[in-house]
Amino acid sequence: QSALTQPRSVSGSPGQSVTISCTGTSSDVGGYNYASWYQQYPGKAPKLMVYEVTKRPSGVPDRFSGSKSGNTASLTISGLQAEDEADYYCCSYAGSYTWVFGGGTKLTVL
Amino acid sequence: QVQLQESGPGLVKPSETLSLTCTVSGGSVSSGSYYWTWIRQPPGKGLEWIGCISYSGTTYYNPSLKSRVTISADTSKNQFSLKLSSVTAADTAVYYCARSTVVKFDPWGQGTLVTVSS
Repeated sequence: QSALTQPRSVSGSPGQSVTISCTGTSSDVGGYNYASWYQQYPGKAPKLMVYEVTKRPSGVPDRFSGSKSGNTASLTISGLQAEDEADYYCCSYAGSYTWVFGGGTKLTVL
Repeated sequence: QVQLQESGPGLVKPSETLSLTCTVSGGSVSSGSYYWTWIRQPPGKGLEWIGCISYSGTTYYNPSLKSRVTISADTSKNQFSLKLSSVTAADTAVYYCARSTVVKFDPWGQGTLVTVSS
């Protein structure tokens, strides 16, 4: 069970869109529509932003959207705002009641 | 709404057992459909799923930690616990508890830092 692969960092200017990828295998991301995304500010607990690939919890802005193609899940943040600067982690169900996280991506708003 | 709070020693000696408790309020650890989960994050690093216990008491563990991990629940106190044996410095991390389903971890506790050092 290896960690999912995310870019270490991405950046964008206010108002732009950025996409964070999360690559796994057919045993996790590719095998289930159970990818989720978490936002984490320094010193704080992660917060659920997207689940089941595309669903947003109540209260999460619709600027955050998820998608999946093959073994790669993606989180797109449109209309980038300064408050979006944070670390983002993907997660996927990996079968047999186990889960695997990505290594995390630091989003910088320029 | 459901809230979770971790508690336990912040310092553990190498080779000893790390013990943490998560107290759940606003919900029940014995309610159906949920798993009660432990996740950790070493300083400056990513998240690692440790394991979980179902509402019925079935446990599931990360294969890489399975030999050292025990998760249990005390329904009378509405708590669930983590024990990690034979700890080393590599087990130094912020430990989070969370309520989960197959598709999401939500909500999370605030996390507690455990340092392994003599």
